[in-house]
Amino acid sequence: ETGVTQSPTHLIKTRGQQVTLRCSSQSGHNTVSWYQQALGQGPQFIFQYYREEENGRGNFPPRFSGLQFPNYSSELNVNALELDDSALYLCASSLAPRVDEQFFGPGTRLTVL
Amino acid sequence: AQRVTQPEKLLSVFKGAPVELKCNYSYSGSPELFWYVQYSRQRLQLLLRHISRESIKGFTADLNKGETSFHLKKPFAQEEDSAMYYCALSRIRGGADGLTFGKGTHLIIQP
Repeated sequence: ETGVTQSPTHLIKTRGQQVTLRCSSQSGHNTVSWYQQALGQGPQFIFQYYREEENGRGNFPPRFSGLQFPNYSSELNVNALELDDSALYLCASSLAPRVDEQFFGPGTRLTVL
Repeated sequence: AQRVTQPEKLLSVFKGAPVELKCNYSYSGSPELFWYVQYSRQRLQLLLRHISRESIKGFTADLNKGETSFHLKKPFAQEEDSAMYYCALSRIRGGADGLTFGKGTHLIIQP
């Protein structure tokens, strides 16, 4: 059984660009949640995907969007990057939309210059 | 909106001493509370949840609704307990709105 994987590990972009981050859920898991963790802060919930549909969303602007594919892997897209988007982006997968049974990936470190 | 507060950014105790990591929350409903831990170079992982009333690695946490607190305790700290600890809240069972995390407490156990 493989765990949650994320790619890339690190990424550097400039302000105004667009970025796509990827997450492969743990085997058998159909739900993926994305979190943003700024330096010195706890993770902040961005949104959750369940069976390819957005199932919940935190307080993030529409330029943060996502997708979930039939194999339950997921993408996080951020348009018009801002300096404050620099953070560690975590994804977590679970068997169902249950936060108490979710497993986190290692994260993607995004730096916006 | 809900909020989780961990007042200590850093907590340093000696091995064998008791540990208490504080967590306070604000939410008008009946939340579920969790403690997550991140050891050095490892992923964020669930340590315990209030509904299961378990003791994991010697840690316990009791939900005090009157004081809106969910402090994490261990009677005798071990060096391997050194890690970053996050308290988190879910507004609804299932948590389709995700978890609300505190800023975390860095626990250092000195030999």
